[in-house]
Amino acid sequence: GAVVSQHPSWVICKSGTSVKIECRSLDFQATTMFWYRQFPKQSLMLMATSNEGSKATYEQGVEKDKFLINHASLTLSTLTVTSAHPEDSSFYICSASLSAYEQYFGPGTRLTVT
Amino acid sequence: DAKTTQPNSMESNEEEPVHLPCNHSTISGTDYIHWYRQLPSQGPEYVIHGLTSNVNNRMASLAIAEDRKSSTLILHRATLRDAAVYYCILRAGRSSGAGSYQLTFGKGTKLSVIP
Repeated sequence: GAVVSQHPSWVICKSGTSVKIECRSLDFQATTMFWYRQFPKQSLMLMATSNEGSKATYEQGVEKDKFLINHASLTLSTLTVTSAHPEDSSFYICSASLSAYEQYFGPGTRLTVT
Repeated sequence: DAKTTQPNSMESNEEEPVHLPCNHSTISGTDYIHWYRQLPSQGPEYVIHGLTSNVNNRMASLAIAEDRKSSTLILHRATLRDAAVYYCILRAGRSSGAGSYQLTFGKGTKLSVIP
């Protein structure tokens, strides 16, 4: 099956710093990628939809200036958490669509802000 | 978005079949029924999807009620590796660009497999 990777798999950063998370589709081209956030014992919450070559579409309540998304190529999307705070600590998961019927998820990135 | 209702948790004995139910009484005629599962500390994994007819693949079977208001994911022989949270998701079938690709996750069913 199609493979989506994320890097890093976990990161610890200090409050006020920025962190970049990469999401790559390894063996297919993805016009659309999605970013989710998952707090402990909760479900995945969609943060934004990322389309190659255009601006991301953010879900209601997600600050676009805080969570910067760049989808520069058909195989790479990045999420930058700017000026991170402890409440941003979470499990961030990306996914890439091979088609409307198939969406493949990355393994997730655990962010801890101290 | 049409919502789904699943039991919070279920238990199964190893090597026994498991039937995971999902209610989606407000499903529209063009909504697809998708199932994903998430193992601990991992991203979700696609399991199966269907529209009207029952579907089988190497992982599971999907039984869809005739009125499409409910469906059941069937794992034919549960293994310890099947312990996960299983999500039943409705996806819009209409052509609406990236929107038709969006998946809205509910709370899912946490499946425990007993050795």
